[in-house]
Amino acid sequence: DADVTQTPRNRITKTGKRIMLECSQTKGHDRMYWYRQDPGLGLRLIYYSFDVKDINKGEISDGYSVSRQAQAKFSLSLESAIPNQTALYFCATSDLRDRRGTDTQYFGPGTRLTVL
Amino acid sequence: DQQVKQNSPSLSVQEGRISILNCDYTNSMFDYFLWYKKYPAEGPTFLISISSIKDKNEDGRFTVFLNKSAKHLSLHIVPSQPGDSAVYFCAALTQGGSEKLVFGKGTKLTVNP
Repeated sequence: DADVTQTPRNRITKTGKRIMLECSQTKGHDRMYWYRQDPGLGLRLIYYSFDVKDINKGEISDGYSVSRQAQAKFSLSLESAIPNQTALYFCATSDLRDRRGTDTQYFGPGTRLTVL
Repeated sequence: DQQVKQNSPSLSVQEGRISILNCDYTNSMFDYFLWYKKYPAEGPTFLISISSIKDKNEDGRFTVFLNKSAKHLSLHIVPSQPGDSAVYFCAALTQGGSEKLVFGKGTKLTVNP
């Protein structure tokens, strides 16, 4: 079983609709992240959470919100989807206590979102 | 302002040869660097990392070199295999700081049989 799961894996929606992307992890990590990937732009950080009570904006948080329902769950919402939010979305987790001693992140398989 | 730059969007090499992927950074506060590999329809996976106290880290066929004075790192894959064909992302962070990873745009490596 995958350590980091994302649902749905693919979603097509219309402009103005509310969308929620969900992420769950079984790694027991405190830290969770949401990224989006666009062609030629790499991975850009949307929001991150270092524990259940900690939520922080990333590089491109406008138009998005998040909820850390539990240590293992971190959801991303698009309150009113627009076409330029069409992208591949990745959830990731990390643990400062990782044996590497730093922020090695483990990614989910991604959600492909298309906003028409 | 892009703090981590991968100036080559793509690279093509022959199987058995060396692949060299390059990454430059502008933020002198970065002190830990990672390479991630991404196959289509999958999330990125961690490949190898290096701390700024080192100038080289090796793991099997993969070696990362860090030149702090030039703010440059490179990933060497020797010998390259067709299964290495993927997009490679360079990432950097400041330990003890915000500890957010900053990613480059990625380089698509194609290893031809």
